[in-house]
Amino acid sequence: AQKVTQAQTEISVVEKEDVTLDCVYETRDTTYYLFWYKQPPSGELVFLIRRNSFDEQNEISGRYSWNFQKSTSSFNFTITASQVVDSAVYFCALSEAPTGGFKTIFGAGTRLFVKA
Amino acid sequence: DTGVSQNPRHKITKRGQNVTFRCDPISEHNRLYWYRQTLGQGPEFLTYFQNEAQLEKSRLLSDRFSAERPKGSFSTLEIQRTEQGDSAMYLCASSSGTPGDTQYFGPGTRLTVL
Repeated sequence: AQKVTQAQTEISVVEKEDVTLDCVYETRDTTYYLFWYKQPPSGELVFLIRRNSFDEQNEISGRYSWNFQKSTSSFNFTITASQVVDSAVYFCALSEAPTGGFKTIFGAGTRLFVKA
Repeated sequence: DTGVSQNPRHKITKRGQNVTFRCDPISEHNRLYWYRQTLGQGPEFLTYFQNEAQLEKSRLLSDRFSAERPKGSFSTLEIQRTEQGDSAMYLCASSSGTPGDTQYFGPGTRLTVL
């Protein structure tokens, strides 16, 4: 069965610190997709990144980077030099249908507080 | 703005009343999803449509819940005889239907059942 675990409920950092949000997933499929979404206080989920199970290459986008490791079933998200605007709830999600776009299972989220 | 839109944004109702929410997906997207999110939790899948066909329903979707997408464009989610436990944020998302496609979310409808 699908499962996504975000063990960190809340993280608090001071601006400019680096922070890593952990995500561990469970799936029996060999083809699956992983996602990260950001939910700021306004409430709307914002897509950040998608990864398929065949692409373990790490990705960097500005201050954001993602580390996908199939061996440990983890898809961790690092924010470098955090800013107050990064304060939000971050969700990791898994979709395992071969054709994708099927139901997506979300973790419980990690609330990040970035203090000035 | 060509993102996913949802109406109303907020709904307050009394227990036992019926409510209906609307979702307008991104225009070229043929898949549409409904999720429910309660405080402190991630979104939970309710149902999804491929064009006008409803292809899967979660067991979370009791008989009081019904969703439609009559012309494969906008969708409605109706809750009959609302209960206090229905209070939540109802999220709609749409996607293009390509393999591993990304779901883009609307702002949600917050339902409060008194």
